[in-house]
Amino acid sequence: NAGVTQTPKFQVLKTGQSMTLQCAQDMNHNSMYWYRQDPGMGLRLIYYSASEGTTDKGEVPNGYNVSRLNKREFSLRLESAAPSQTSVYFCASSEQGGANYGYTFGSGTRLTVV
Amino acid sequence: AQSVTQLDSQVPVFEEAPVELRCNYSSSVSVYLFWYVQYPNQGLQLLLKYLSGSTLVESINGFEAEFNKSQTSFHLRKPSVHISDTAEYFCAVSDPDTGRRALTFGSGTRLQVQP
Repeated sequence: NAGVTQTPKFQVLKTGQSMTLQCAQDMNHNSMYWYRQDPGMGLRLIYYSASEGTTDKGEVPNGYNVSRLNKREFSLRLESAAPSQTSVYFCASSEQGGANYGYTFGSGTRLTVV
Repeated sequence: AQSVTQLDSQVPVFEEAPVELRCNYSSSVSVYLFWYVQYPNQGLQLLLKYLSGSTLVESINGFEAEFNKSQTSFHLRKPSVHISDTAEYFCAVSDPDTGRRALTFGSGTRLQVQP
């Protein structure tokens, strides 16, 4: 089925470790996004990529980096994980300017930093 | 920048009763509005959206929402809920005039339908 695929689904890291969350979409969408979801806070935008070759910071970019590898893939990297980064991470995609038309979400990555 | 307020963090309701989930956004000249639903341990799915035209929009599973510009609201309603509607619901807004091409989400409302 077409959609947004995130890997891994679950991950436990020790403080200070690094990791990359992978996201790929096969809908030929131009825009991709990374959000984190925390209880009582909804979804907060970390980074987004309006089109291939561009990335922009969102509300909560500190401690993260992103790479728009090609049109299909948008990865999120934690260079030195901290307990405050324990969260559920969602990747989403949309057509160009497509925040105006809504997103397709992946199923999420549940990350625990101990 | 836009902000979205969902005042009710949890809404318990009995099966077959009506429900309203409230959403208010900060003022802007023009906005696009969305409701997403998240079932347990799943990603978010688009439930319905308002882009333009009729201020009342409907989903395929009986939910509806009304855009009220004067009250800057986009409340979600269903006249009769089912157990299967138990989920978390998120209101989101896009501000096309700012050029910021990302949605801003509310904090979510957990709908708990009881038998």
